Amino acid sequence: DGGITQSPKYLFRKEGQNVTLSCEQNLNHDAMYWYRQDPGQGLRLIYYSQIVNDFQKGDIAEGYSVSREKKESFPLTVTSAQKNPTAFYLCASSWTFYSNQPQHFGDGTRLSIL
Amino acid sequence: KNEVEQSPQNLTAQEGEFITINCSYSVGISALHWLQQHPGGGIVSLFMLSSGKKKHGRLIATINIQEKHSSLHITASHPRDSAVYICAFGNEKLTFGTGTRLTIIP
Repeated sequence: DGGITQSPKYLFRKEGQNVTLSCEQNLNHDAMYWYRQDPGQGLRLIYYSQIVNDFQKGDIAEGYSVSREKKESFPLTVTSAQKNPTAFYLCASSWTFYSNQPQHFGDGTRLSIL
Repeated sequence: KNEVEQSPQNLTAQEGEFITINCSYSVGISALHWLQQHPGGGIVSLFMLSSGKKKHGRLIATINIQEKHSSLHITASHPRDSAVYICAFGNEKLTFGTGTRLTIIP
C-alpha cells in the first residue's frame, strides 16, 4: 500500500539535544512538507521541498533543519535552537507543490521535552 | 494576510443527525481542502474543491467562491465520524483552520 511513514510515533528530547524525525513516502510524489501542530492552532508549515535536493523555509523554520537527498525521504531535525519543541509534527506529500493538489499525511510524531 | 475561520469549534450530536461544519476564508483561492484528523493524530484528505459541490458516501462538500465560504455536511452521522475536521485553503502554500471537533453520541 502506498503511503507516508513517520517514525517514531513518540519522541523525547533532552535539553541541548538535537533529534531527527523520519518521514518516508512510497507515493512517488515530488513535493514533501513538514507541519507543526499545537493545541488550538492550525497546522503551520515548517519546511517544504518541491523536488529532490531542494527545500525552502516555511512560516516557522527557525530552530529546524531538513534534507532531501532522496525523493522518498524528508527528515526533519529539531535542533537545540528550537526553544519550544513540544508539539505534534506531521509530514505530508503531494504530486507537486501547489494548493490545488491533495496532500497525503503521515500519522505524526509527538515530541516532548524530558 | 490569509485567514480562515471554522465554526463551530466543537459540535456534539446524536447518531443519525445531519451535520454541518462551516469554513470562511479571506482571499481568493485556487482550491479549498477538507481534512479529517483522527483521535490518534493521523490526517486524511477528504475533499479538494475549487467550485460547486463534491460528494463521497455520506460526506458532501460545497463551496461558494463569491462568498468565500465552504461547508462540509455529514448525512446519517455515525460515532465513527467523531474526529476533528479541518479546512485549508491557499494558492501555493496552504493555510489551515483550527478545526471543528465533532463527537457523535450513539
